[in-house]
Amino acid sequence: GAVVSQHPSRVICKSGTSVKIECRSLDFQATTMFWYRQFPKQSLMLMATSNEGSKATYEQGVEKDKFLINHASLTLSTLTVTSAHPEDSSFYICSASSGGGDDTQYFGPGTRLTVL
Amino acid sequence: RKEVEQDPGPFNVPEGATVAFNCTYSNSASQSFFWYRQDCRKEPKLLMSVYSSGNEDGRFTAQLNRASQYISLLIRDSKLSDSATYLCVVGFKTGGFKTIFGAGTRLFVKA
Repeated sequence: GAVVSQHPSRVICKSGTSVKIECRSLDFQATTMFWYRQFPKQSLMLMATSNEGSKATYEQGVEKDKFLINHASLTLSTLTVTSAHPEDSSFYICSASSGGGDDTQYFGPGTRLTVL
Repeated sequence: RKEVEQDPGPFNVPEGATVAFNCTYSNSASQSFFWYRQDCRKEPKLLMSVYSSGNEDGRFTAQLNRASQYISLLIRDSKLSDSATYLCVVGFKTGGFKTIFGAGTRLFVKA
């Protein structure tokens, strides 16, 4: 149980384009989803936390207009990187938590974004 | 001071060795504690939750010391497959729920 999928697993795009990443909890309802970014040889950095049906909470330094997060249902959250630039190239990972006293996060397999 | 601090390592140990990692956290209101492992270029996977009474799962033992604000992970009888980065994770409620990841400790187990 507790499977989280992410799509796509890898994307290469041109500078200035927008990229959408989907995160799905396959066998449980995720009241909270988290989006992280990880640059090579660095730790996971939390970008934002989203609760189903409400606006995401962004961490300091993360531009909410650049990284659009939508948590439309209890099993789906999307991250859209708008007008991507080479410095946005990174490994983006989502995680989901069912809440209800269980704080465990289950991670998706990640999306490797390369912006040319 | 970082919110969650870990020794980055790397720890290089032979197969069969016992190795211990420590992690300290700064927020005394932290409520949840976990160890995750992350293999190179892969997502983190939950290794075990950490409870105040300490808990064991096979060769892995986790302990929490709230007074000193540190968490430990002990790996006995190391296997080659234990080679990975071990992430200390601390969670607390601040409005919503927030988790902070440590930078990880690299472990290399060699034959």
